[in-house]
Amino acid sequence: KAGVTQTPRYLIKTRGQQVTLSCSPISGHRSVSWYQQTPGQGLQFLFEYFSETQRNKGNFPGRFSGRQFSNSRSEMNVSTLELGDSALYLCASSPDGQGLANYGYTFGSGTRLTVV
Amino acid sequence: AQTVTQSQPEMSVQEAETVTLSCTYDTSESNYYLFWYKQPPSRQMILVIRQEAYKQQNATENRFSVNFQKAAKSFSLKISDSQLGDTAMYFCAFMKHLNNDMRFGAGTRLTVKP
Repeated sequence: KAGVTQTPRYLIKTRGQQVTLSCSPISGHRSVSWYQQTPGQGLQFLFEYFSETQRNKGNFPGRFSGRQFSNSRSEMNVSTLELGDSALYLCASSPDGQGLANYGYTFGSGTRLTVV
Repeated sequence: AQTVTQSQPEMSVQEAETVTLSCTYDTSESNYYLFWYKQPPSRQMILVIRQEAYKQQNATENRFSVNFQKAAKSFSLKISDSQLGDTAMYFCAFMKHLNNDMRFGAGTRLTVKP
């Protein structure tokens, strides 16, 4: 069974540009969440999607957005990049309902975004 | 808001010995779940163990066990017979019942020395 796949693995962008990150969840998992990981702030919840709808949202500016497709794949977009957006972006998937509580999230290996 | 605190930024242990990582959390919820995740240099977060708040029995997974003290809001991880492959960042996480917003602590970097 394939795991959670995130692409690309590494990305370098310039301030002011925008970026799109991709996440393919485990087959059958309908919930996809995104986290930002930095040395200073640790792991911070960005948002969660289920059935193409954003169900939960963390405390990030509107420059951070996402979407989910009918096959549960998800994309995350960051517009007008700032130096502080440099981070590891982790995608996590889970079965819905009691699945997350029972099994926890399954994480991808992340996309390392560097803004220069 | 729920907060998770890991007070030990770094720890080390000799191979084959036992080590305990601390975690405390703050919540007014009565029904919730707690997790320990491991993040090796490969970056992928791996679930180590989980605990349901309404279960008094401490969870155990092979060499990993927890000491869950609900009244004290404490959730420590004990690793027995430490192995070199246990070297990683360990994160404690909290999740309310029926809410997929999982909150993580700052992490503890564990080094297992040969």
